[in-house]
Amino acid sequence: DVKVTQSSRYLVKRTGEKVFLECVQDMDHENMFWYRQDPGLGLRLIYFSYDVKMKEKGDIPEGYSVSREKKERFSLILESASTNQTSMYLCASSYASPTYEQYFGPGTRLTVT
Amino acid sequence: ELKVEQNPLFLSMQEGKNYTIYCNYSTTSDRLYWYRQDPGKSLESLFVLLSNGAVKQEGRLMASLDTKARLSTLHITAAVHDLSATYFCAVDRTDKLIFGTGTRLQVFP
Repeated sequence: DVKVTQSSRYLVKRTGEKVFLECVQDMDHENMFWYRQDPGLGLRLIYFSYDVKMKEKGDIPEGYSVSREKKERFSLILESASTNQTSMYLCASSYASPTYEQYFGPGTRLTVT
Repeated sequence: ELKVEQNPLFLSMQEGKNYTIYCNYSTTSDRLYWYRQDPGKSLESLFVLLSNGAVKQEGRLMASLDTKARLSTLHITAAVHDLSATYFCAVDRTDKLIFGTGTRLQVFP
């Protein structure tokens, strides 16, 4: 079974803190993704990565950065957390071919106070 | 720009009834994915449709794909309470997925 794990299920941080969300997959997937999910807005892609040390901006990258030093690990960094970054964060991974079916982690519910 | 629309956005249905969720997308794609999300949980893959005319079935759910019409359907047969969840369709864009807004399904006795 594909397994995608995220470092925390729930996280509470203060405004201005630097926040690290980690994601690990065990299926040797090339592609990894970070989304945020908010009520009424669906899933929005923040960043994705096709390979180690590669990253691409998604639809809403502002206020976030990412790191992929190893193939199995993709980290999302909130440089200076703000209250509007309170959200559910979902990590996903997929093969580069033949299909792009994504496998999701359990999610991290982040609250910034 | 690829857009993916689902309807209805919210569906309240009685146990035992049948219904269909529709997923329309705006540009050509041969591959479509359906996911399920339970409240407070993450997304779980349901179906992967890889070509025109593809049909997949699992229990009371059946998904189909018409690439010419740019339409996929998720048909629910004889709904049961356990099917209550939010259902998302997603379409390939290069090697990313574009998700629909989701259909929240509520099945009541």
